[in-house]
Amino acid sequence: GQNIDQPTEMTATEGAIVQINCTYQTSGFNGLFWYQQHAGEAPTFLSYNVLDGLEEKGRFSSFLSRSKGYSYLLLKELQMKDSASYLCAVLNSNYQLIWGAGTKLIIKP
Amino acid sequence: GAVVSQHPSRVICKSGTSVKIECRSLDFQATTMFWYRQFPKKSLMLMATSNEGSKATYEQGVEKDKFLINHASLTLSTLTVTSAHPEDSSFYICSAGTGENSPLHFGNGTRLTVT
Repeated sequence: GQNIDQPTEMTATEGAIVQINCTYQTSGFNGLFWYQQHAGEAPTFLSYNVLDGLEEKGRFSSFLSRSKGYSYLLLKELQMKDSASYLCAVLNSNYQLIWGAGTKLIIKP
Repeated sequence: GAVVSQHPSRVICKSGTSVKIECRSLDFQATTMFWYRQFPKKSLMLMATSNEGSKATYEQGVEKDKFLINHASLTLSTLTVTSAHPEDSSFYICSAGTGENSPLHFGNGTRLTVT
């Protein structure tokens, strides 16, 4: 089967750095996505990795290792508004998005 | 980098009306566009694949006459939800690519609410 694993919940302190991991097993691979979703709102696109390595975009960075079936989302200089769920999703060979259950990130002052 | 613009980001409509969602590739020509839908509390699901100048290929269970897809140019695809019902309320997202094995670029999605 196909599945995406990521931690259910993480807690971090304002101003700190947090890394959210995601491992996947899918039928084929056409890219991995990270989305941010605040409660009651639609997901917001954060990043898309299709090649190995680190993609940096402001305070957020996303890393991919295709050989390990592994990605992480790195959030720096955490702000209270970063409290949200972070969803990892993989595009398989049929261009279907396989989604993780999401990681709820709690930021404490 | 390549940008896909999806519009509108949010729309509220009444039951029985139709809603059109646009997906534009701003700085590249997209031969293929994909439309996804997120069901409440579930994953995004592929609805259809559209290729410029030809009919869209719909996934099993997706009503062709209800979700009209038009990919008339290499930079624009539209999804029209016809005779919308409250159960059509969902998050719709498009993506675009330049061909096989090319990275896809995603729009930011459209939140549709049907009252």
